[in-house]
Formats: sequence, structure tokens, C-alpha cells
Amino acid sequence: GESVGLHLPTLSVQEGDNSIINCAYSNSASDYFIWYKQESGKGPQFIIDIRSNMDKRQGQRVTVLLNKTVKHLSLQIAATQPGDSAVYFCAENNPGGFKTIFGAGTRLFVKA
Amino acid sequence: DGGITQSPKYLFRKEGQNVTLSCEQNLNHDAMYWYRQDPGQGLRLIYYSQIVNDFQKGDIAEGYSVSREKKESFPLTVTSAQKNPTAFYLCASSIEVGTGELFFGEGSRLTVL
Repeated sequence: GESVGLHLPTLSVQEGDNSIINCAYSNSASDYFIWYKQESGKGPQFIIDIRSNMDKRQGQRVTVLLNKTVKHLSLQIAATQPGDSAVYFCAENNPGGFKTIFGAGTRLFVKA
Repeated sequence: DGGITQSPKYLFRKEGQNVTLSCEQNLNHDAMYWYRQDPGQGLRLIYYSQIVNDFQKGDIAEGYSVSREKKESFPLTVTSAQKNPTAFYLCASSIEVGTGELFFGEGSRLTVL
């Protein structure tokens, strides 16, 4: 992902609606992708992951979609709740790589 | 409960002083990492360690130092050579370097006065 400096992309949704957060990853050789959720003043927490041999993976209320052709990852949150308000980061690992590369993040606001 | 503990949560430092941030994990993970986060930005890797007594520079290692004398511990020293040290620092661990999810601590916020 590309850094957007001090201004995070922001998504504002109504409580109960579905949210879609998008991420463009940087390395076509990356084979493992993770979404993290970071609440204010806390460390990121794992939400869901997907390997490059899959296009879609579902968890509880969350779905991750992977489009390797255009190097795009998305996180879908069903029935968004106020507790989902946070910054969401996508991250990628590549084979033999020693570090995880994080995107700049997207801030999700949920309106009650 | 297993997890990562960072301390202190908040730290104030005068210019020219070194400070050390603590990171302890009881997850029995081999790999540990330090990241820096600035407001509205993503995470940037400072240092990582694959195993005890080994560590490697990340993308922004200048002005920082680490040690890995024990599997459980990976302290980060922010030296006076770090030109802009005010930031939120995150420690993380994983079973192995470069694989699997990262488990993060709650972070340490350093402010230089």
C-alpha cells in the first residue's frame, strides 16, 4: 500500500450497513495477506488472513477478497457496529521475506 | 493469559536523553519486532529478531538500538541520535519471522519535550 501521509482514507457508514475497505498491495510475489484492526491508543489486532491460492475467505461478519490480477485486497464487514470503528490495515508477506509490509490504513467511522 | 507486554505506556523524555522501552512476551515466539507509528500513518519497521542473540535492522533503524538476550524480551533503546523520536512504538511477535500473524503489544507513546 502507499502512504497517504497524515490524512488517512476515511470511510463513514451507518450502523447496520455493510462496510468495504480496500487496499492495494505492492508486491506481486506476496503470498500471504492479513487484515488488522487498530483501536485508538492500542496495538493492532488480527482480524482475518488469506493465502494467495485463495480468492475469498470468510470469518465471523468479515470477508476478505483477494484479486491477484490487480493486486487488490478488500475487507467486507457485515452489519457494521459502533465497536467496529477503528483504523484497518492490510498487510502482506512474501516468500522468504523477513518482514510484513503494512498499508497506510483506513479509518472507519460508524454512525449510530 | 499469553500475550505481549509493553512498558511504559507513556514516556516523556528531554532532548539528548536515551530511553529504553520494554517488550516481554510469553507466547514462546521466536520472532520479535519493533514498529514505529506516526499520527495518521502506517507502521514502519525499526528492528526485528528471528531468534535469541540475533537481530536485524528494519527500514528506519537509525537512532535506535535493540538487544535479544532472552527469547521473551526485546527491549528498544531510543538514543539521542534519533532526530524525531516522538511517536507511538509497537512491539510484536510471531512464531517465525515473515510468516503468520503478528501479535502486538498495547504500545508505548514517547514524547520528547
